Amino acid sequence: EAQVTQNPRYLITVTGKKLTVTCSQNMNHEYMSWYRQDPGLGLRQIYYSMNVEVTDKGDVPEGYKVSRKEKRNFPLILESPSPNQTSLYFCASSPPRTDTQYFGPGTRLTVL
Amino acid sequence: AQKVTQAQTEISVVEKEDVTLDCVYETRDTTYYLFWYKQPPSGELVFLIRRNSFDEQNEISGRYSWNFQKSTSSFNFTITASQVVDSAVYFCALSEPQAGNMLTFGGGTRLMVKP
Repeated sequence: EAQVTQNPRYLITVTGKKLTVTCSQNMNHEYMSWYRQDPGLGLRQIYYSMNVEVTDKGDVPEGYKVSRKEKRNFPLILESPSPNQTSLYFCASSPPRTDTQYFGPGTRLTVL
Repeated sequence: AQKVTQAQTEISVVEKEDVTLDCVYETRDTTYYLFWYKQPPSGELVFLIRRNSFDEQNEISGRYSWNFQKSTSSFNFTITASQVVDSAVYFCALSEPQAGNMLTFGGGTRLMVKP
C-alpha cells in the first residue's frame, strides 16, 4: 500500500532531551516536507527536501533539523526540545512533476 | 506573499443540507496551485482536490464540487446532501512553484453535520 508513515505517533518528552521523528514513504517521491499544526496558527511548513541531500527551510525552521540521506526517509530532529514545540507534526511527500502533497498520519508531540 | 483565508471557522448543518465552504487566496504569481484537504476527527489529512491556476473548470466528484474563480480569487467547495461522515475540518491551501511548493494553508473550517 502506497503510504507515508511516521513514528512515533505519540510522544511525551521533557525539555532538552533530543528526539527524532521518523518519516518514510514507499512511493519513490522526490519531494518531502514537514509541517506543524497548532491551534489558531494552522499548518506551517518547517523544512522541505526536493531530493536526496537537498533540504531547505520552510516558514518555521528554528529549533529543528532534518536530513535526507535516502529518498524514502526524511527524519525530523529536535536537538533540544522546548515546550513551544509541543504540536501535531505531519510529514508529507509529493510525486515528481506535480505538487500534490500526501500526508502521513501525524505525530503528536508533547514537551514538558 | 501568499495567503489563504477561510472566513468560516465553524459551520453546522443538518444531514442532507447542502453546504459551501469558502476559500479566498492571495498570490502574486501567475502559476499556482490550489488544494482542499479534509481532516476528520481521527486527525489525518486527506487530499481531496488540486487545481492549477490555468484551469478554471469547475469539478464535480460525487457529492463534492469545486468552484474556482480567478476573477474573485476564490476556490469554494460545496458538499451536496451532506452526511454525518462529512463532519471534519476542511483546509484550503495554496502552493507556488517559486516558493518550493510550500503549502500555505487557510485556518480551516470545522464542519459539523448533525443527524
